[in-house]
Amino acid sequence: QSALTQPASVSGSPGQSITISCTGTSRDVGGFNYVSWYQQHPGKAPKLMIYEVTNRPSGVSNRFSGSKSGNTASLTISGLQAEDEADYYCSSYTRSTTRVFGTGTKVTVL
Amino acid sequence: QVQLVESGGGLVKPGGSLRLSCAAAGFTFSDYYMSWIRQAPGKGLEWVSYISSTGRTIDYADSVKGRFTISRDSAKNSLYLQMNSLRAEDTAVYYCARDWVQYYDSSAYYLWGQGTLVSVSA
Repeated sequence: QSALTQPASVSGSPGQSITISCTGTSRDVGGFNYVSWYQQHPGKAPKLMIYEVTNRPSGVSNRFSGSKSGNTASLTISGLQAEDEADYYCSSYTRSTTRVFGTGTKVTVL
Repeated sequence: QVQLVESGGGLVKPGGSLRLSCAAAGFTFSDYYMSWIRQAPGKGLEWVSYISSTGRTIDYADSVKGRFTISRDSAKNSLYLQMNSLRAEDTAVYYCARDWVQYYDSSAYYLWGQGTLVSVSA
């Protein structure tokens, strides 16, 4: 099972919006609405930001939103803040019943 | 306090074995699907294995299939990962993680442990 494809890095200025893409296939991202997104700060465990493509757990800022079109899911961070600087990973259920993570994206706040 | 605490990591030689444990507290452990996820130094996340709330359904990544065994003990509120025939490429921080919702496979990991480091080297 190959990792889902994410851009290595994305950057933006405070207050701007950025979007991170997560591209898979019809056997994973495109075939199921079980895409989730995680934020990871250095030396810390990942934190769930989005589940089932569009849903936010309680406590997660509404500046984070998820969507999907075909085989590509996206995470949008609006009103970018310094504390958003972190690594972000997508994950998906797959047709072979395993799960797969994305390659990861480093978000830099300029 | 709702938490997961991993233990059992350490340095092991190639071909050796190690058993990781994950102690759950603050929630009804038997209600949730559980998973192991690892992260090699400086690398991304890699899903390793999951076990259903009842323990009846299990799956593994191809990279560990046949070498790793996941199990759970609801009486002890604990998750385990038996790792055999370890290779250098298994070196990573191993996290246990709990699903977002009870009884259901959401494939979303809401609660994570702090991780335990496994180093495979001669």
